[in-house]
This record gives sequence, structure tokens and C-alpha cells, in this order.
Amino acid sequence: SQKIEQNSEALNIQEGKTATLTCNYTNYSPAYLQWYRQDPGRGPVFLLLIRENEKEKRKERLKVTFDTTLKQSLFHITASQPADSATYLCALPENKLSFGAGTTVTVRA
Amino acid sequence: NAGVTQTPKFRVLKTGQSMTLLCAQDMNHEYMYWYRQDPGMGLRLIHYSVGEGTTAKGEVPDGYNVSRLKKQNFLLGLESAAPSQTSVYFCASSWILGTHQTYEQYFGPGTRLTVT
Repeated sequence: SQKIEQNSEALNIQEGKTATLTCNYTNYSPAYLQWYRQDPGRGPVFLLLIRENEKEKRKERLKVTFDTTLKQSLFHITASQPADSATYLCALPENKLSFGAGTTVTVRA
Repeated sequence: NAGVTQTPKFRVLKTGQSMTLLCAQDMNHEYMYWYRQDPGMGLRLIHYSVGEGTTAKGEVPDGYNVSRLKKQNFLLGLESAAPSQTSVYFCASSWILGTHQTYEQYFGPGTRLTVT
């Protein structure tokens, strides 16, 4: 069955730096991949979708890449701000949608 | 436009008790989902529905039942709660996948359930 792995360690970065999160998957060839943001005590909120034929997608300070050969997506937060502190989840379309466990990002002022 | 709402927000049950979690959405979405989220395990799909009157099993359906009598509501039932069902439960909804040029799911705020 499919397995989705995200950075197991929490990420602590200084304000203004770039945070890079990794999502790796196995036993699957998804047509697209999604990224969600989850704040403590809240439900996930959709951020970005990238399709298998797209190498890169941007939204404001967010950038997502999708390498179907490596079976990996990278999620970048550029010029990070304390307000970016949250847990970020990647999700792939299997059994409707399968989610990774998430990576918690803390941005220090 | 409230989006996806869930009731209750918190609940404590004793082993063997039953309860129903209610999810409501006002976006006219066809699909609705129930997930549970446990530390280090991410969101796992319990049951889902692709339309009024239809339900299907997800990844972890045992111990749960669901009903979708109205398009806007999706109920999750625990007939005999067990400590292993202590978790945070999220409801979500979406358009039929691929329609409206969107695949995103909209989540509710969650229900924190503790079974003692």
C-alpha cells in the first residue's frame, strides 16, 4: 500500500529564512499532490495543488515542486514570518485522499 | 456561509457508551468525509460519502457507522466506545473530485473525543 513520509522532525527557523519541507511517497504514482496547513486546535486548510505534469507551483511566498521520478514534493516558505508557524500536511489521492503525518514549523522572530 | 461545522467540540465518554458526531456543510458539496487524527499518524479516513444516501468505508472503519440522510449532513456514530477511539475527529467536504476545477477538501474545526 501507499506510504507517505514527511519530515519527522519539527522545523525551527529564523524569521526571514526559507523553510523547506519534504514529502516522500512510495508504491504510488499520483496524478496530483496537495499541501494543507493546520493550526493548533483547527482543521486543515488547503494551500496548493500541483499536478504530475507541473514541476513547480507558486502562491505568494509558497513554492511547491513535484518530482515524480524521485517520488517527492518539496514545500518552501520563503521570507518566513512568525504567522507561518503551523503544521503542514501533504496529501495524495488514494482512497480519496491520504495524508502525511505533517511537519511542524516554528518561525522565531 | 459557515462552511463545515461539527458538533460537539469536546466529549468525554465511558467505555461502552455510544454517541453521534454531527457534521454539516452549507457549500452544496457532494462528497463528505470523516477522519480521525492521532499524534504522529496523520489524518486517517474512517468513512466517506459520495452523495445523499450513500456511504463507503475508508481506511479505519471498524467500530464506527455513518449515515448521510441529507446532502448537507454526515453523521458519525460510535455504538460502543473504546479507549482506542480517543482521538480528534474531523469532518470534511468537497466537490466531486475534479469538478469545479478543484480537488480541495474543506475541513471542520474538529471534535476532541476522550474515552475513559
